[in-house]
Amino acid sequence: QVLLVQSGAEVKNPGASVKVSCKTSGYSFNDYYIHWVRQAPGQGLEWMGWISVGGGGTNSARKFQGRITMTRDTSINTAYMELNTLTPDDTAVYYCARDECGGSSCPFFNYWGQGTRVTVSS
Amino acid sequence: DIVMTQSPDSLAVSLGERATINCKSSQSILYNSNNKNYLAWYQQKPGQPPKLLIYWASTRESGVPDRFTGSGSGTDFTLTIDSLQAEDVAVYYCQQYYGSPFTFGPGTKVDMK
Repeated sequence: QVLLVQSGAEVKNPGASVKVSCKTSGYSFNDYYIHWVRQAPGQGLEWMGWISVGGGGTNSARKFQGRITMTRDTSINTAYMELNTLTPDDTAVYYCARDECGGSSCPFFNYWGQGTRVTVSS
Repeated sequence: DIVMTQSPDSLAVSLGERATINCKSSQSILYNSNNKNYLAWYQQKPGQPPKLLIYWASTRESGVPDRFTGSGSGTDFTLTIDSLQAEDVAVYYCQQYYGSPFTFGPGTKVDMK
């Protein structure tokens, strides 16, 4: 079955960076996009960006541009999201998610990772 | 950016009764060339990732009970839960995927009365 398994919780100081991994299995990794969505405590969902696993291209929400780097390692079916210059407002659960049909035509998400809690505090 | 709003913020429904959640987009998310509305609905329970319920505004995801129905077009959409069950207590989000950034509504919390 399709699985997305994320790395463990992180605690970071303001100004630091965090890199979250998303290891996938059960499907052809190259054929789908991986998206990143975050959720601040008690808040709603915020889409951050996607990576085209096959081609390596990325697209991110304007508010994260310049701070977010999305990469993938196709040899181990793993996607990564790195967020730089962290502030306490970046405290959130970060999710990776796979789109429904591959490509950029249906960016809704039928498979999700379990989430990675990132806490930014001094 | 396309702004998504939802109403109500929360509602309490008796077991077996109907719950209705509204979602509105700041611009039309109907793509005229394929006549599809680029809207999805998710259910999220505490401590869990969201679960996809509906996409293309009205297509039920595989395995989702048929008491969940999505409707609407253009800018106004509705998720209806017929005969609410205890396991339906959750927060429900709409999401537009018409254009990047793919924005979510603020969520509607559904409780049991």
